[in-house]
Amino acid sequence: LAKTTQPISMDSYEGQEVNITCSHNNIATNDYITWYQQFPSQGPRFIIQGYKTKVTNEVASLFIPADRKSSTLSLPRVSLSDTAVYYCLVDDSGGYQKVTFGTGTKLQVIP
Amino acid sequence: NAGVTQTPKFQVLKTGQSMTLQCAQDMNHNSMYWYRQDPGMGLRLIYYSASEGTTDKGEVPNGYNVSRLNKREFSLRLESAAPSQTSVYFCASSEVQTGTLGFSEQYFGPGTRLTVT
Repeated sequence: LAKTTQPISMDSYEGQEVNITCSHNNIATNDYITWYQQFPSQGPRFIIQGYKTKVTNEVASLFIPADRKSSTLSLPRVSLSDTAVYYCLVDDSGGYQKVTFGTGTKLQVIP
Repeated sequence: NAGVTQTPKFQVLKTGQSMTLQCAQDMNHNSMYWYRQDPGMGLRLIYYSASEGTTDKGEVPNGYNVSRLNKREFSLRLESAAPSQTSVYFCASSEVQTGTLGFSEQYFGPGTRLTVT
């Protein structure tokens, strides 16, 4: 399983764009990059997944450079409700999902 | 659809007591998982079931047993609870096609907050 490294915490003001970078130097050819969001007292929720280049959905964008050794989750114009822990996962799991959640990045959005 | 449901929501046990945490999903998913999350920590996989009839150990299986009762239900049992098992327990499920690469989205339940005194 490829190990991931991400900042422990980040602060941002409301309305700003937030970029959270995840390092995964040992990513394997078949690995995908997936981000989850967890609010206090709730289970994690899938945000976005990608393999290379850029992926965008209604919630976030995911930027993956050509070497795939890192990835950046971009949250546009955050609000207070985006305060949560964000987890970066890297795995292919061979068809079943035995994956590892690290400690994640705690994002605090400030009014 | 209720998604993934877990019972109970809260539980307090004395050391040595046993209990079973229940999990059910109504999304017809093949795979189910049990995680624990200690305060300020990420999730750690306890056991998983890739498909009905199979279970396997995750990162921290000691002190736990699981049963995949049918495709919908996956229970976690603590035979003799210890204070170190105080944690929040999350059940999750995903739809995985064997041999398919890539990560299938996991759907999580609301969690069970367990305290062992």
